[in-house]
Amino acid sequence: DAGITQSPRHKVTETGTPVTLRCHQTENHRYMYWYRQDPGHGLRLIHYSYGVKDTDKGEVSDGYSVSRSKTEDFLLTLESATSSQTSVYFCAISETTGVGYTFGSGTRLTVV
Amino acid sequence: AQSVTQLGSHVSVSEGALVLLRCNYSSSVPPYLFWYVQYPNQGLQLLLKYTSAATLVKGINGFEAEFKKSETSFHLTKPSAHMSDAAEYFCAVSEGGGGADGLTFGKGTHLIIQP
Repeated sequence: DAGITQSPRHKVTETGTPVTLRCHQTENHRYMYWYRQDPGHGLRLIHYSYGVKDTDKGEVSDGYSVSRSKTEDFLLTLESATSSQTSVYFCAISETTGVGYTFGSGTRLTVV
Repeated sequence: AQSVTQLGSHVSVSEGALVLLRCNYSSSVPPYLFWYVQYPNQGLQLLLKYTSAATLVKGINGFEAEFKKSETSFHLTKPSAHMSDAAEYFCAVSEGGGGADGLTFGKGTHLIIQP
């Protein structure tokens, strides 16, 4: 989607290795979110940010950490990847909460 | 806490027939409600949203949804299905008017269009 970019688009990694996914926006929106999508579960919120250096946990935050040092970048880190973290990860941005959310194209992560 | 229930993980309709995808929500505050569509190997695209204005909301691609507070429902409809409507559809809720904690999604409904 215009204004929001996720990288990488695909990644295969080994169990126990650290992994960082990046979400970059050019919209200067305040709110940023990381979701994971798994069959039969829909999308579940991992972490979110409501400003630079302001983050909080979502529904499925165990095993994940985030950082936001600049308005435009929101990083998701898996400190020690596990097979249960194999998923598709989506980043979303919002200017005003509750009104509109724009999603990135997703990162497909496979942990082997 | 808010939650969303989508009835039917798979819905199959014939091309030209009515599409009805069901969504019920729970929320402790007046909700904002959304329908998203996801085509294979793509991200989520907003179909329509309810943000406390008109209860009948019209979206893209001929879809519409009606907010019914008494039934806590926000069902998605389209009068005549097209083959290009085949996709995964997600209903989502957020706290209206504030709260940074994003959307809560239903588990999704896979719409199948029979020729």
